[in-house]
Parts: sequence; C-alpha cells; structure tokens
Amino acid sequence: KNQVEQSPQSLIILEGKNCTLQCNYTVSPFSNLRWYKQDTGRGPVSLTIMTFSENTKSNGRYTATLDADTKQSSLHITASQLSDSASYICVVSDSGAGSYQLTFGKGTKLSVIP
Amino acid sequence: EPEVTQTPSHQVTQMGQEVILRCVPISNHLYFYWYRQILGQKVEFLVSFYNNEISEKSEIFDDQFSVERPDGSNFTLKIRSTKLEDSAMYFCASSPRQGRNQPQHFGDGTRLSIL
Repeated sequence: KNQVEQSPQSLIILEGKNCTLQCNYTVSPFSNLRWYKQDTGRGPVSLTIMTFSENTKSNGRYTATLDADTKQSSLHITASQLSDSASYICVVSDSGAGSYQLTFGKGTKLSVIP
Repeated sequence: EPEVTQTPSHQVTQMGQEVILRCVPISNHLYFYWYRQILGQKVEFLVSFYNNEISEKSEIFDDQFSVERPDGSNFTLKIRSTKLEDSAMYFCASSPRQGRNQPQHFGDGTRLSIL
C-alpha cells in the first residue's frame, strides 16, 4: 500500500531561521512528488512538483530535494517569515496505468514565532 | 489569479439527510477532483472526473457518493444518506491538462458537520 511519512510532526522556529522538513515514501511505481503549503482553514497550495529525474527544485525561499533511490524528499525553508506558519504536506503520485491518485502525508505543522 | 471556489464554506446536516457540495473549478481546467480531510488526519483522494465521467475513485467513494458536472461551470459532490463519519473537510481541485505531473489547484474546502 502506498504510504507517505513526514517528520517532524510539528516544529517551532524563530523568525529569520532556516528549517528542513522530511518526507519518506513507499509509493510505487513513482511518478512525481509534490510539496503543498496548507494554511489553517484553507486548501493546500502547490509549492513544487518534482519528477523522477529532478533532484532539486526551488520556489522562492522554498527548496525541495528528491532522492528517488532512497525514496526521500526534503523541503528547506530559508529566512523564515511569520507567514510561513502552516502545515507542509508531502504528496506523491504513482504512475500506475490510468492512475491520477495522489497519496498525502499527514503534514508537518510549522510555527514561526517572533 | 483564478481560483477554485467552493460553497458553502460550512454545512451542517442531520444524519441520514442528503447533502450536495458545490465547486466551481478554474474555467479552462478539464480535470476535477474531490478529496476529504477528517479532522486531524491526512487528505484522502475520493474521485477524479474528466470528460463527464469518473476517471478513478477510491474505496471511500462508495454508492452513497456521486459526482456531477451539471453545467459548464459547476462540479458537485452528493452524499445520499449522510453518516456521522462523513464529517470532514471536503476539498475540490482542478487541473488544466492531462498528465500526472500537472499541478492540482485546490479550493478552500467545505466543512461538513453531520449531527
């Protein structure tokens, strides 16, 4: 069964600091890995999408990495801002025939404090 | 920037009643999805829809659920006879083109509370 595990469950950091969130997956066959940001009470918003051949992708202060061999990904946030406080969700898509299903992790809840 | 809009934002319904959740996907998108998120748990795929038919559905999407695109703009999720365990946040999403690497754009969800 496809699974996505994220760590840590929650994280508190000071404004201006960097942090790294982790994602391990067992989705097979793998198609792509996405990171979403979900503010409280809102829908998920896409940050990055990476395919098998990509091992790093940036979107502003967000940089995602992917190691398809070890089935691990990380999301690095630099110079954090108060508005970065949200849940960050790792999502993996498989490449089964006709399959467009996404498997979601439970997310890491990030709190950025002044 | 175009958005996926969902109505209502919160729906309270008695157990056993039918409920219809509404979504207006981004206008030039062709693929539509419903997801749910039970409080404190992860987002779960329910169903995908393309060309007026279901492309794929999960085991959660049983006979109590149905989807419809009644006109050129709305996409609805109907739950025929609601149960307490249907209480969750329901998200609609859309994507512009076919392909597994296409981004999915999510609405802000409808919180469904079953009493």
